[in-house]
Amino acid sequence: QVHLVQSGAEVQKPGSSVRVSCKASGGTFSTHTFSWLRQTPGQGLEWIGGIVPVFGAAKNSHKFQGRLTISADESTTTVFMELSGLRSEDTAVYFCATDINRPVTDHWGQGTLVTVSS
Amino acid sequence: DVVMTQSPLSLPVTLGQPASISCRSSQSLVDTDGKTYLNWFQQRPGQSPRRLIYQVSNRDSGVPDRFSGSGSGTDFTLKISRVEAEDVGIYYCMQGTHWPLTFGPGTKVDIK
Repeated sequence: QVHLVQSGAEVQKPGSSVRVSCKASGGTFSTHTFSWLRQTPGQGLEWIGGIVPVFGAAKNSHKFQGRLTISADESTTTVFMELSGLRSEDTAVYFCATDINRPVTDHWGQGTLVTVSS
Repeated sequence: DVVMTQSPLSLPVTLGQPASISCRSSQSLVDTDGKTYLNWFQQRPGQSPRRLIYQVSNRDSGVPDRFSGSGSGTDFTLKISRVEAEDVGIYYCMQGTHWPLTFGPGTKVDIK
């Protein structure tokens, strides 16, 4: 059983960067597919990118090309999402989740509210 | 990107009655491996989402059998045979055949 715990809420200024972590416990870290998603206030879900730690390379939505970096640290079983060039439209709850498109049980973090405001 | 649409967007239901949500994709979701990567997620108020159904019709572990998924190609349906109070929330379909993964806008289910 995988348990995901995300870092706490962030308030950032426009143009800055934010880094959100997702600590995984249980299961075999390297073989899961980790996804990052976001949910804007009152809006639906948006997949922004993902990574399989054993392969290393992340795959991001083209919408975030150049602004999004997803990485994984196997030594601490933690996945990171860093978004740069923040704008007000990036204000959202960011979720990490495992295996949302695989035939195994998915698991979700509790969500991290990122607020972009001057 | 593949556009996912859902109907209705709001679904008031009577406890114990059935409910049905439709999801359509702008392209076929049949992958080159022959599988169809259409998933359904439930998000209860104040909670993170969780998946109910993967690959059109497979229930995830622990999901009550009153939930069922069906469909093919571009048209899919989630059915709840008898709605219970704990089913209140927003339901999303998500396609995983084409990159990037995309979600429908969500259907809000509440009790009449």
